[in-house]
Parts: sequence; structure tokens; C-alpha cells
Amino acid sequence: QVQLVQSGAEVRKPGASVKVSCKTSGYTCNGCFLNWVRQAPGQGLEWMGYINPNTGGTQYAQKFQRSVSMTWDTTITTAYMEVTSLTSDDTALYYCARGSSNCWECAASWGQGTLVTVSS
Amino acid sequence: DIVVTQSPDSLAVSLGERATINCKSSQSVLRSANNKNYLGWYQQKPGQPPKLLIYWASTRESGVPDRFSGSGSGTDFTLTISSLQAEDVAVYYCQQYHATPHTFGRGTKLEI
Repeated sequence: QVQLVQSGAEVRKPGASVKVSCKTSGYTCNGCFLNWVRQAPGQGLEWMGYINPNTGGTQYAQKFQRSVSMTWDTTITTAYMEVTSLTSDDTALYYCARGSSNCWECAASWGQGTLVTVSS
Repeated sequence: DIVVTQSPDSLAVSLGERATINCKSSQSVLRSANNKNYLGWYQQKPGQPPKLLIYWASTRESGVPDRFSGSGSGTDFTLTISSLQAEDVAVYYCQQYHATPHTFGRGTKLEI
């Protein structure tokens, strides 16, 4: 059974960094992309980027190119996303979501979300 | 970037009636190499992560009721709920994954 379990809520001050983890289990599809999507309070979904666990290759949305880094630890099948230089605009629920063998690029299974609050 | 535009922003449908949500992409999301439309539909209920309903524009995800269907090709797509149930109240999003960034539409709020 496919499962994604994310780390707990975080509070940071402006200018700080945060690293969110996403532990995956039950996958047989090594090439299934691991996406990160965020949702600001009361807003829609925003795709941030993905990492290909098979190759370690990443693609980021342009607005996150300088502030976001996505990594993958093969030994524990866990993805990480670090966001630096946080501002109040980064306050959001951050989701990891992975593709499936039917659709590598889709967000087929989702984590429960990690709330990141940026406040002075 | 491919812009994905959903309509309407909100929709109220009676129980048992049909609900239709539209999604238009600014560029074709049809890949000629495999004849697949790189378009998905998601359902998000309050306090929950989104759930994939449809991928490749018209393939229903395992476990999704058959009252949900997706259609369209190229730049114009539709999600149809054939007979609305109370548990279908949610926000629905389309997403293109043809090219990065994999943009989402702004969502359609479906109410009874």
C-alpha cells in the first residue's frame, strides 16, 4: 500500500529556512516523480517542482529556482524540500505527491501536508 | 508557462443532477509521440489533501466512482459528474503535466 508521511508543522521567522520531509513506502515505481505542491491559506494549489527519485534530477517552477531545493534519500525512500529566505508569503500547507506506475508525472498519492508558518 | 483556466469559479447543482466543469490550456497538452493528453483532475475536500480523480484527461483513477468522467483533447477539457451526490461537494482542480511548471487551474467550488 502506497503511503506518504510528512514531517510536522513548523514555525519560522522571516529570513530563516525550513526543511520538510516526506517518507514514502509501498512504491515499486522508482521513476515515479515526487512533486511538491503548496497551498496558501484559503487559496488554490501551486506546483513548486519535482524530483525524479530514479535519477535525482529536479525541475523547479521558476519562482522557486533560487529558494527551493529538493532532494531524495534512496536508502530510506524519503524526499526533502528545503525553502530558504522565508517570507510571510511562504506561509502555506506544503504537500508532497508522487506519481504512479500508470502516470509517472501525476500527483497520484499525497502526503497529509505540512503547515509552515512564517511570522516574526 | 502553460496557463490553465477553469470555469466556472463556483457551481451549484442539485442532488442527482449533472455537474460540468471546464478546463482550457493556453497550449495543447497532447503529446503526439504517445497520443496522450497530459491533463489531470483532482478533488479536494475541506481539511484534506487533493485526490487524483482522472489522468490522461479521461482515465479514471482506481476506486473513483464511475459517475466521474473526463473528456477533451488538445486545449479543451471537461470533468463531468453524471449524478451529483452529497459527498461530491468539494473544490475541483485541473492540472497540466505536459510541460513544467505543471500548472493548476484556480479551482471550481462545487456546492449542492
